[in-house]
Amino acid sequence: KQEVTQIPAALSVPEGENLVLNCSFTDSAIYNLQWFRQDPGKGLTSLLLIQSSQREQTSGRLNASLDKSSGRSTLYIAASQPGDSATYLCAVRPGLTGGGNKLTFGTGTQLKVEL
Amino acid sequence: DTGVSQDPRHKITKRGQNVTFRCDPISEHNRLYWYRQTLGQGPEFLTYFQNEAQLEKSRLLSDRFSAERPKGSFSTLEIQRTEQGDSAMYLCASSIRQGANYGYTFGSGTRLTVV
Repeated sequence: KQEVTQIPAALSVPEGENLVLNCSFTDSAIYNLQWFRQDPGKGLTSLLLIQSSQREQTSGRLNASLDKSSGRSTLYIAASQPGDSATYLCAVRPGLTGGGNKLTFGTGTQLKVEL
Repeated sequence: DTGVSQDPRHKITKRGQNVTFRCDPISEHNRLYWYRQTLGQGPEFLTYFQNEAQLEKSRLLSDRFSAERPKGSFSTLEIQRTEQGDSAMYLCASSIRQGANYGYTFGSGTRLTVV
């Protein structure tokens, strides 16, 4: 059974700092990994999707990397802003042998960027 | 609005009552998913449809839960005889199959509180 872990569970940083969020998964047979942002009481907003054959994806100040063999992904946020405050979730989509149509999520990292 | 729409946004119900939620996916997406998220946890898979066919159900989906997607467009999730443990955020997502690697788009969710 796939298990996804996110470290740290919570993080508070001053504005302008660069930061890294970590995601690890136990079964490396995945199709892709997706990072989401969730504001309090809201749904999920997709940030980045990394295919299993890719090493990284970038969007603006966000960069996500994937090391499938070691079961790890990182989300790098450059020059953090108060508007980045949210919970960040990673989710893996397994390969066909693992039930390929459902995502397994981590419990998230709650980020607070302070002025 | 071309995103995933969910209705209602919030629902408060008394224990034992039935509730029904609706999800309208992105129009060209043929796959639709329901997830449940409790406080401090990542979303957990409930069920998914490809067009009108319900192809997979989680063990979390007890016999009090039923989901339909009658014409392959919108979907409904009904909970009968609600219990306090059903209180959660119910999230709908949709996707379109483009090879093996496709991302999910989530709606804003329906927050259910059972009192």
